[in-house]
Formats: sequence, C-alpha cells, structure tokens
Amino acid sequence: KQEVTQIPAALSVPEGENLVLNCSFTDSAIYNLQWFRQDPGKGLTSLLLIQSSQREQTSGRLNASLDKSSGRSTLYIAASQPGDSATYLCAAYSYSGAGSYQLTFGKGTKLSVIP
Amino acid sequence: GAVVSQHPSWVICKSGTSVKIECRSLDFQATTMFWYRQFPKQSLMLMATSNEGSKATYEQGVEKDKFLINHASLTLSTLTVTSAHPEDSSFYICSASYLAYEQYFGPGTRLTVT
Repeated sequence: KQEVTQIPAALSVPEGENLVLNCSFTDSAIYNLQWFRQDPGKGLTSLLLIQSSQREQTSGRLNASLDKSSGRSTLYIAASQPGDSATYLCAAYSYSGAGSYQLTFGKGTKLSVIP
Repeated sequence: GAVVSQHPSWVICKSGTSVKIECRSLDFQATTMFWYRQFPKQSLMLMATSNEGSKATYEQGVEKDKFLINHASLTLSTLTVTSAHPEDSSFYICSASYLAYEQYFGPGTRLTVT
C-alpha cells in the first residue's frame, strides 16, 4: 500500500526566501505525482503534475522534481511571498486495478511566509 | 476547462438526519469519480471510487450503508450521508477524472452535524 510522507510538517520563513518542501513515497511504481495547495477551509488547487516519465515541472516561481528510484519529490518555491502561505499537499497516483488510478496524499506542509 | 463543482458548499444538519452532496463535472465527462474526507488538520482520505453506471468501491473501514454513492451519469455523482452523527462532521471533497487521467477536484463541502 502506498504511503506518502511530507517533511517538514510546518515551515515558517521570511518573505523573499527560497524554500524546498519534501515528499517521499514508499512504492516507486507511481503513475504521476501531483502537488496541491490548500488554503484554510478551502478545496485543493493543483500546482504541478509530474508524469512518471518526467523528472521535473515548472510553473512561474514553482519547480517540482521527481526521482522515482529514490521515492522522492521536492517542491521548490523561489522568492517566497506572504500570499504563498498555505498548506502544500503531495499526492501520488498508483494503479489500483481495472484501469483505475488512486491518489494517496501526504499530510501536508503548512507554510507561513512572514512579511 | 476541467471544472468540478460541489453542492452545497456547507451544510448543517441534525443528528439522525440524512444529507446529500452533489458533485458535477461541468465541462467534461467523468468516467470515474472519487470521494474523499478530510478531518481538521488531517490529510485527505479516499472513501470510495465510483465508475458511471457501476456500484462504488469503498475503502476499508468506510461503511457503505452509511455513505451511499450514486454515479448515475457521466457528469454527476452524489454522496448521501445517512443517519448522520456528530462524528461524521468533516470536509468532503470529490474529484473526477476522464479515463485514467488526472483527477480534478471540487471545492469541497463542509458538513456539520449537531
């Protein structure tokens, strides 16, 4: 059974700093890996999806990497801003049979960017 | 594109009553829909997977007679919480996918049972 772990559970940084969020998964036979953002009391916002054949994806100040062999993914945020404050969730797609893929989520990293 | 809506966004009900939550894919046909539950300060936990026209597959520990899922069309799935109790209070999120591709998430429904 796939397990996804995110470290650290919480992170506080001053505005402008670059930061890295870590995600690890136990089963390397993943289909895709996806990073989400969740604001308090809200749903999920998809940030980046990395297909299993890819090693990284970039969107603006965000860069996500994937190393299937080591079971790790990182989300790099450049020049952090107070608006980046949220919980960041990592999720791995795994094949669950009958042509269906399931998402397994980590517990998230709560990021606070201090002005 | 790939928009998923949920209704209602929040609901308060009395203990013992039932409540229905709708999940709709607005601009694509969802062959598979998923229902997740999120307790405060916890991550999302998959409750069940449903394919259009088929019975839902429930995760271990999820009571299928309590959480009724219907996926009657390619754009609509419903989750009915029957005889709700305070411990069912949670944030319920649905997602939809076409074939085996990326899941697209709804905005969630906050359920409070008093």
